[in-house]
Amino acid sequence: AQKVTQAQTEISVVEKEDVTLDCVYETRDTTYYLFWYKQPPSGELVFLIRRNSFDEQNEISGRYSWNFQKSTSSFNFTITASQVVDSAVYFCALSDLTTSGTYKYIFGTGTRLKVLA
Amino acid sequence: GAVVSQHPSWVICKSGTSVKIECRSLDFQATTMFWYRQFPKQSLMLMATSNEGSKATYEQGVEKDKFLINHASLTLSTLTVTSAHPEDSSFYICSARDRTSGLYEQYFGPGTRLTVT
Repeated sequence: AQKVTQAQTEISVVEKEDVTLDCVYETRDTTYYLFWYKQPPSGELVFLIRRNSFDEQNEISGRYSWNFQKSTSSFNFTITASQVVDSAVYFCALSDLTTSGTYKYIFGTGTRLKVLA
Repeated sequence: GAVVSQHPSWVICKSGTSVKIECRSLDFQATTMFWYRQFPKQSLMLMATSNEGSKATYEQGVEKDKFLINHASLTLSTLTVTSAHPEDSSFYICSARDRTSGLYEQYFGPGTRLTVT
């Protein structure tokens, strides 16, 4: 069965520290997509990244970086030099192809990140 | 581009009444829309998938008679919570798939916070 596990429920760091959010997934599909979303207190989901199963290159975007390792079914997210504005809940999600041909998303339980000034 | 709106952003209703939430794709045509529910400090759970012009597909455990979904046009889907009770209080988020984008792509609305008193 498709599943996304974010074992870290809550993480607190001091500003300027680096922090890594873990995401482990299970899927029976050979083609799939992984996502990271940020949910600030306002509740609106903010898209961060999408990665398909055939692209294992790591990606860096400013202070954000992602490490995709198919061998361990992990798609971890690192924030470098964290800032207070990074405080939010971060969700990892996996695409799940339905019988109707539509991809639905399976979300992990989320990691609440608190960055302290 | 790819903006999804929801109306209202928050609503308070009395127990036993019905409330309708609208989800609109503002600058694209959405052949498929998804409705999620998120309880406080929990993850997003998919409630149903709706395709324009056809009946919605509900996830296991979601009462289709209680959560009525209508996807009458390519830019509008509505979720009606019938005979609402306090346990229906939650954050409801819709997402939409652009008919011209990949099957895996979803754009999320800002969410609607429902409080049933």
